[in-house]
Amino acid sequence: EAQVTQNPRYLITVTGKKLTVTCSQNMNHEYMSWYRQDPGLGLRQIYYSMNVEVTDKGDVPEGYKVSRKEKRNFPLILESPSPNQTSLYFCASRGAGRAHTQYFGPGTRLTVL
Amino acid sequence: AQSVTQPDIHITVSEGASLELRCNYSYGATPYLFWYVQSPGQGLQLLLKYFSGDTLVQGIKGFEAEFKRSQSSFNLRKPSVHWSDAAEYFCAVGGNNNNDMRFGAGTRLTVKP
Repeated sequence: EAQVTQNPRYLITVTGKKLTVTCSQNMNHEYMSWYRQDPGLGLRQIYYSMNVEVTDKGDVPEGYKVSRKEKRNFPLILESPSPNQTSLYFCASRGAGRAHTQYFGPGTRLTVL
Repeated sequence: AQSVTQPDIHITVSEGASLELRCNYSYGATPYLFWYVQSPGQGLQLLLKYFSGDTLVQGIKGFEAEFKRSQSSFNLRKPSVHWSDAAEYFCAVGGNNNNDMRFGAGTRLTVKP
């Protein structure tokens, strides 16, 4: 089954404690991205990757890092989480062309105390 | 940069009634337009998309949307709403760059029995 998986689905942590949210897709997609979803703001892109070792900033990259060492994986790293990063995070992937459908993971609800 | 406005934060309709969710976009050229649905606790699922051609687009679950360039709109419609349609709906616009997909803030749909 074609899917995008994220782990963990729920995470409560404290300010400053480094964390990683993993994302994996089994569709051999070139393009992957991370979004955060906040009430009244919709989804905003954090980072995206066009292919292995190619990443770039989206609209709200501050406080986040990503890496793309393998095509299927695109982890999101919060080196020093802060309460304003409490949000719902989605990973997504699609094929190389812009006309391709973007598939979303189930989301990770992060709370930073 | 492009933007998307969903004027209605929350809509309530009776089961069996017709539905129209509004979406207005701002973009200088012909956009790629999408509607996604997010059920509680789930990721986003693509309902339909418009790239070119026929301005009336059919999607899954009985939804359709019409692209009106003169009004910069891409409203989503369904002739008869089912209780299972209760969810949050997001309109999105993409353009010529790979990182330029923008989402609206979403419209939450409640379906009354």
